[in-house]
Amino acid sequence: QITLKESGPTLVKPTQTLTLTCTFSGFSLSTSGVGVGWIRQPPGKALEWLALIYWNDDKRYSPSLKSRLTITKDTSKNQVVLTMTNMDPVDTATYYCARPAVREYYFDYWGQGTLVTVSS
Amino acid sequence: SYVLTQPPSVSVAPGQTARITCGGNNIGSKSVHWYQQKPGQAPVLVVYDDSDRPSGIPERFSGSNSGNTATLTISRVEAGDEADYYCQVWDSSSDHPYVFGTGTKVTVL
Repeated sequence: QITLKESGPTLVKPTQTLTLTCTFSGFSLSTSGVGVGWIRQPPGKALEWLALIYWNDDKRYSPSLKSRLTITKDTSKNQVVLTMTNMDPVDTATYYCARPAVREYYFDYWGQGTLVTVSS
Repeated sequence: SYVLTQPPSVSVAPGQTARITCGGNNIGSKSVHWYQQKPGQAPVLVVYDDSDRPSGIPERFSGSNSGNTATLTISRVEAGDEADYYCQVWDSSSDHPYVFGTGTKVTVL
């Protein structure tokens, strides 16, 4: 059974750095073709893809946020970490981690999401 | 980057057919995937690769893709189908490869 779960702060102040952790089970990020990504959704708005890391440490970022994002993996812990610097109230959103189907480009497993509010 | 446009809302009576469009430049040349998202829940994949269904998704959900428009069709709509629906493509030529549509709220009357 594949599961993913996001963890991290629910409230951050403007200009702070957000660190989110995705802890997953049921698959390994050391397996060829496997990746884990992050998607966010501001309240009442659409989904927005942020970043994705693959088994071979290949990383992709949304161009509009690339300068603020870092994605890393810890294969031994089955975790993927996303950091986003210089947080702003417009970054208030539910942040999801999700797994693309192996060697495919759609997300077949999602975490439950975690709401992050940016406010002073 | 590649843009996917969906109508903000679609209303349908129970038992009728809902059609949700997803417009993009030459989208027919790409594989389109669809997600259903109910309030307070994570998205769920309902159609992938234009018209395939994951296991557990009812046959009432179907998809098509041609030209500049992809369509998700929900036949014999039920109250439980009320949700937001998002299309998604992978744009291999872009720095922003994973693109989501603007989303459509389906209301069952």
